Amino acid sequence: SYVLTQSPSVSVAPGQTARITCGGNNIGSKSVHWYRQKPGQAPVVVVYDDSDRPSAIPERFSGSNSENTATLTISRVEAGDEADYFCQVWDSFSDHVVFGGGTKLTVL
Amino acid sequence: VELVESGGGMVQPGTSLRLSCAASGFIFSSYAMHWVRQAPGKGLEWVAYIAYDGNNTHFADSVKGRLTISRDNSKNTLYLHINSLRVQDTAVYYCAKEGASYPYEASHYYDFWGQGALVTVSS
Repeated sequence: SYVLTQSPSVSVAPGQTARITCGGNNIGSKSVHWYRQKPGQAPVVVVYDDSDRPSAIPERFSGSNSENTATLTISRVEAGDEADYFCQVWDSFSDHVVFGGGTKLTVL
Repeated sequence: VELVESGGGMVQPGTSLRLSCAASGFIFSSYAMHWVRQAPGKGLEWVAYIAYDGNNTHFADSVKGRLTISRDNSKNTLYLHINSLRVQDTAVYYCAKEGASYPYEASHYYDFWGQGALVTVSS
């Protein structure tokens, strides 16, 4: 089955740039989606189809995807960005949704 | 858009449970729907998919054979029936709506999630 790999944690100071990666075999050939989840809340999509942003998500959130790594970039990080971030793809070979293990973003 | 799950609770191992997800604010019959679960302190785990018209379903390997996903488009409601519940099924179960309607849902992302229903399997 298809596997997505995320680092368990990323720490960044306020105002800096956070980069959260999602590794997968030839993930560049798939559409990658990113979700933010704060404690006790349901996930919220922050980037879909590699780099598209829902209208309610600030421009500070951006995504890229190439070869074996997709990246969620959060510019000018704020304390409110502290959350768990999950990447997700659809594996068309198995007709399964696959999630990465999640990355906890800590704002120092 | 609103998705409201119900039917969670504490159940004994080996029993069955049906979760419901009442949808509103969009044309329910045009969108595929999913169930995603999250065990306490763990990550997200996709569980099941059902096509917009109910004619196609897919399940995670970890639950295949024990789960049934269904929908009633006349009632704007999604269901998940879980048989032979195990302690490992303890989780918050979310229903999630795909971001694109049929036939444009190829990338299968979720633009709305319910608040979740907690299922606790314990003797």
